[in-house]
Amino acid sequence: DVKVTQSSRYLVKRTGEKVFLECVQDMDHENMFWYRQDPGLGLRLIYFSYDVKMKEKGDIPEGYSVSREKKERFSLILESASTNQTSMYLCASTVTPEIPEAFFGQGTRLTVV
Amino acid sequence: QKEVEQNSGPLSVPEGAIASLNCTYSDRGSQSFFWYRQYSGKSPELIMFIYSNGDKEDGRFTAQLNKASQYVSLLIRDSQPSDSATYLCAPPLPTAGNNRKLIWGLGTSLAVNP
Repeated sequence: DVKVTQSSRYLVKRTGEKVFLECVQDMDHENMFWYRQDPGLGLRLIYFSYDVKMKEKGDIPEGYSVSREKKERFSLILESASTNQTSMYLCASTVTPEIPEAFFGQGTRLTVV
Repeated sequence: QKEVEQNSGPLSVPEGAIASLNCTYSDRGSQSFFWYRQYSGKSPELIMFIYSNGDKEDGRFTAQLNKASQYVSLLIRDSQPSDSATYLCAPPLPTAGNNRKLIWGLGTSLAVNP
């Protein structure tokens, strides 16, 4: 079974903190993605990575950065957490564009207070 | 930004009935679509994808794509209470050099009543 694992299921952080969300996949997938999901707004792409050290901005990269030092791990960083970053964060991976199935992690519900 | 639109529902059907879920999209260049199911509090999981015009069947599920009308649908036959979930119509995920700004549908909430 493919496994995409996010480091935390629930997180509570304070405004201004630097927050790290970690995602690890165990299937040697090329592409990894970070989304956030909010009621009424759906899934929105923050960043994605198609190779180690390679990244591209998604729809809403502001206030976020990412790191992919190893193929299996893709980290999302909130540089200075704000209350409007309270959300469900979903990590996903896919093998290649020709194999389109996206495997999602269990999600991290982040609350910024 | 190019969008995928869905009726948010809720769509309520009796057990054993056919549930019909629809979405429209604005990008004529879109070649394929994906249907994900998301249970409350859980992550999306892929149930169907379709590349070409016409129908694709997998068990109780049939996906339909009409590129001329820019319309995608998912039929669930013999609906079961376990099918109660939100169904997301999604464009392909972006790839290197093809970061097409396609927005996911918000999802249709389906309730199957015993």
